[in-house]
Amino acid sequence: GDSVTQMEGPVTLSEEAFLTINCTYTATGYPSLFWYVQYPGEGLQLLLKATKADDKGSNKGFEATYRKETTSFHLEKGSVQVSDSAVYFCALSGASGGYNKLIFGAGTRLAVHP
Amino acid sequence: DAGVIQSPRHEVTEMGQEVTLRCKPISGHNSLFWYRQTMMRGLELLIYFNNNVPIDDSGMPEDRFSAKMPNASFSTLKIQPSEPRDSAVYFCASSRGQGEGEQFFGPGTRLTVL
Repeated sequence: GDSVTQMEGPVTLSEEAFLTINCTYTATGYPSLFWYVQYPGEGLQLLLKATKADDKGSNKGFEATYRKETTSFHLEKGSVQVSDSAVYFCALSGASGGYNKLIFGAGTRLAVHP
Repeated sequence: DAGVIQSPRHEVTEMGQEVTLRCKPISGHNSLFWYRQTMMRGLELLIYFNNNVPIDDSGMPEDRFSAKMPNASFSTLKIQPSEPRDSAVYFCASSRGQGEGEQFFGPGTRLTVL
């Protein structure tokens, strides 16, 4: 079945460091891909998305490119801030042409220190 | 828009008691999802509805769990009887239509069963 695999955390970085969180997926068809972020004590929020191959999603300095050839959607940010500390979830949707059910990865916790 | 509304935000109960969690989706959204999040198992989809009809309840852990959506603006998740292993954060999410995949999450209900 469809699945999402993320790099295990926690990822610990200093402020202004470069961030990469790896995400790969297995799916039939042509899924849309998402990154969600969960700040402490809150629900998940959509960070960015891409709906077709080679699309780049971006928001708040974060970017991810839909790579069909490597079935990947890695999240990157050039310079992280303490306020980016959160759990990041990669997800896919619509892979089987059915209802918009999201399949989430396990989440990667990011801790940014001053 | 107020976003997805969940109540209560926190619930502490004793084993064997009935627990009812409530959700009001975003107006105009016709898909609704219930998730459970724990440290051990991560984020799990319990059930989702489309146009108030349950589409997939394969994630419901056992018969003690039930969910209803009597109208487009309200859903409940009930656990009867509750057990300590049900302790988790329960999220409700809603989305518009099918295929796009973006879901909007509520703030969650933190359930503790003693």
